[in-house]
Amino acid sequence: NAGVTQTPKFRVLKTGQSMTLLCAQDMNHEYMYWYRQDPGMGLRLIHYSVGEGTTAKGEVPDGYNVSRLKKQNFLLGLESAAPSQTSVYFCASSYSKRTSGVETQYFGPGTRLLVL
Amino acid sequence: GESVGLHLPTLSVQEGDNSIINCAYSNSASDYFIWYKQESGKGPQFIIDIRSNMDKRQGQRVTVLLNKTVKHLSLQIAATQPGDSAVYFCAENNWGGSEKLVFGKGTKLTVNP
Repeated sequence: NAGVTQTPKFRVLKTGQSMTLLCAQDMNHEYMYWYRQDPGMGLRLIHYSVGEGTTAKGEVPDGYNVSRLKKQNFLLGLESAAPSQTSVYFCASSYSKRTSGVETQYFGPGTRLLVL
Repeated sequence: GESVGLHLPTLSVQEGDNSIINCAYSNSASDYFIWYKQESGKGPQFIIDIRSNMDKRQGQRVTVLLNKTVKHLSLQIAATQPGDSAVYFCAENNWGGSEKLVFGKGTKLTVNP
């Protein structure tokens, strides 16, 4: 049981380039989340999904897109990277409230992205 | 609106002492709270949670206290060890409403040998 995994671990992009971050979980969780973490800002929610085929905007969605084609995967895309998107990105997953009545989120190890 | 904050951004303690990390929340509708530990270069790790129908919950060397009257949450770590050095986040959720957690900015705990 690997939990939540993220690829890649580290990436350097030039302004304007695109990339996709992959999150995978093997816990059969319904909910998945993408956060960014910046110094002094804490964790900020970018997008989330409450089930396969569904996505919703979080606190800071601009410049990002997501897809949840399979229950175990949640992809975060940057169509045209900007230096302001330099950050550490974390994926998380959880059971739905209907299933377990809890909202504990389990996090991946993070992806460090540098946009030059 | 919802907000979660911490009173102290840094905390330094001696090995073996008890640590107390505090968190204030503003959403009176929040009914589920979690403490996470984040070590350098790693993702946040679940420590302990508590529902609003409880005032106290204990785990292994950790205790979470919830004071709904003043909307305050604390994490107590007994006999703090060097391995406890990390950033600690509190998070809140309105179980009956949003699927989202609201995170505080974190407190950095440093344990001195």
